[in-house]
Amino acid sequence: DAKTTQPPSMDCAEGRAANLPCNHSTISGNEYVYWYRQIHSQGPQYIIHGLKNNETNEMASLIITEDRKSSTLILPHATLRDTAVYYCIVRDSGNTPLVFGKGTRLSVIA
Amino acid sequence: GAVVSQHPSRVICKSGTSVKIECRSLDFQATTMFWYRQFPKQSLMLMATSNEGSKATYEQGVEKDKFLINHASLTLSTLTVTSAHPEDSSFYICSAKSGSWGTGELFFGEGSRLTVL
Repeated sequence: DAKTTQPPSMDCAEGRAANLPCNHSTISGNEYVYWYRQIHSQGPQYIIHGLKNNETNEMASLIITEDRKSSTLILPHATLRDTAVYYCIVRDSGNTPLVFGKGTRLSVIA
Repeated sequence: GAVVSQHPSRVICKSGTSVKIECRSLDFQATTMFWYRQFPKQSLMLMATSNEGSKATYEQGVEKDKFLINHASLTLSTLTVTSAHPEDSSFYICSAKSGSWGTGELFFGEGSRLTVL
C-alpha cells in the first residue's frame, strides 16, 4: 500500500504557482520523499526528492515540514504542459522499488 | 540524463499469442529493473523486480509463468506476456537503476501499450 495521501485532483491557472500537497504521516527516519509525474500515455518523469531539507531544482521546489509528516511540491509558474498526474512517494535508500499511490491529477487551465 | 528505452511502444496481437517487450538502459548499467503495469485511469502497479543474472521476484498475484522476465545483461531486460488474452491489455512500463543508485532518481521507460484482440 502507498504510504502517502494526496488530493485526487487540482486545478491551477496558467502562469500561477501550483502547490501540490502530500501527507506521509507514517514516514520513517530513513525514508525519502520523491515526486514523479506522468503525462498521459507516457512513463513517469522524475521531478525532485528530499529527506528533510527543502529542495529546489529547475523543475520545482519541495517543501518538507519540520516533522516530515507532510510535504508540498511547488511548480512556480505552471504551464499547460504541466498538466499530468503527480505522484508523491516515500521510499528508503535501499533497493526497494517505487510504490505508486493514486496521485493528484493537476489540470493547468489557460 | 540517463535514458531508459522500451520497445515496442505499441503492439496489437491476437489472443493466444506471446508478446515480448524490451527495456534497455542506454547510458548506464542497470543491475536492477522493475516492471510495472497500468490499467486505464489507474496507478502503476509493480509486477516484478528483475536483477541481472538471477531470477525475477514477482509481486503477489502476478503469475510468473505468464509474465516471463529475463535480465540477461546489464542493459537489457525483457518481459514476455505468454498466451496473451484481452485482460492482459495494459500499459507496461519498465524502470531501471544503476548499481550505485540508492537515493537518486529511478529512470522510467516510455511505456509499451499492449492490446490483445
